Amino acid sequence: QVQLQESGPGLVRPSETLSLTCTVSGGSVSSGSHYWNWIRQPPGKRLEWIGYIYQTGDSNVNPSLKNRVTMSVDGSTNHFSLRLTSVTAADTAIYYCARQRKSGWFEGIDIWGQGTVVTVSP
Amino acid sequence: DIHVTQFPSSLSASVGDRVTITCRASQSIHSWLAWYQQKPGKAPKLLIYQASTLESGVPSRFSGSGSGTEFTLTISSLQPDDFATYHCQHYNSYPWTFGQGTKVEIK
Repeated sequence: QVQLQESGPGLVRPSETLSLTCTVSGGSVSSGSHYWNWIRQPPGKRLEWIGYIYQTGDSNVNPSLKNRVTMSVDGSTNHFSLRLTSVTAADTAIYYCARQRKSGWFEGIDIWGQGTVVTVSP
Repeated sequence: DIHVTQFPSSLSASVGDRVTITCRASQSIHSWLAWYQQKPGKAPKLLIYQASTLESGVPSRFSGSGSGTEFTLTISSLQPDDFATYHCQHYNSYPWTFGQGTKVEIK
């Protein structure tokens, strides 16, 4: 059974960089049938797709965050990561890592981590 | 960006009721839409993808329909475990976006 687990600091200072890691167990980030996503949910707001990365390192990032986001994937340690620079209070949210299936075309986001709360505050 | 609007934003219903939630996209997304269920403090759970394909293990009382810009999620007979918030998400083009959620509460 595939499980995802986010890890990283719960508090980040404004203007600093948020770094999160998602560890995959029971499966492999090198799977050719899956894309590895980051999604966040600010308090009281809708879910926001941040972007995804594929095993090859190819990624797609929400244009609203593109200049601040870097994603990476590491097959040797079976994890993928998110870096978000120059954070502000607007980046306060629950951050989820999640797996999306693709078999010819994209299917749903079928496996989610439990989420990690990140607060941006001085 | 394609904007996705859900309605209603909340509803009250009783066990056994038939419940319908609507998701409307600002332009055609063909059938590239998924529905998720989220309970407080938990991650979303995939219910339906490609507008009408039921995810494995999801009860058959859940169904999805629609194409183009208008989609519906139907729960044929609401069960106690179904009280939650439901989200739609399009994946037709980037960026993928979510609806604002529909909270289903006990009447």
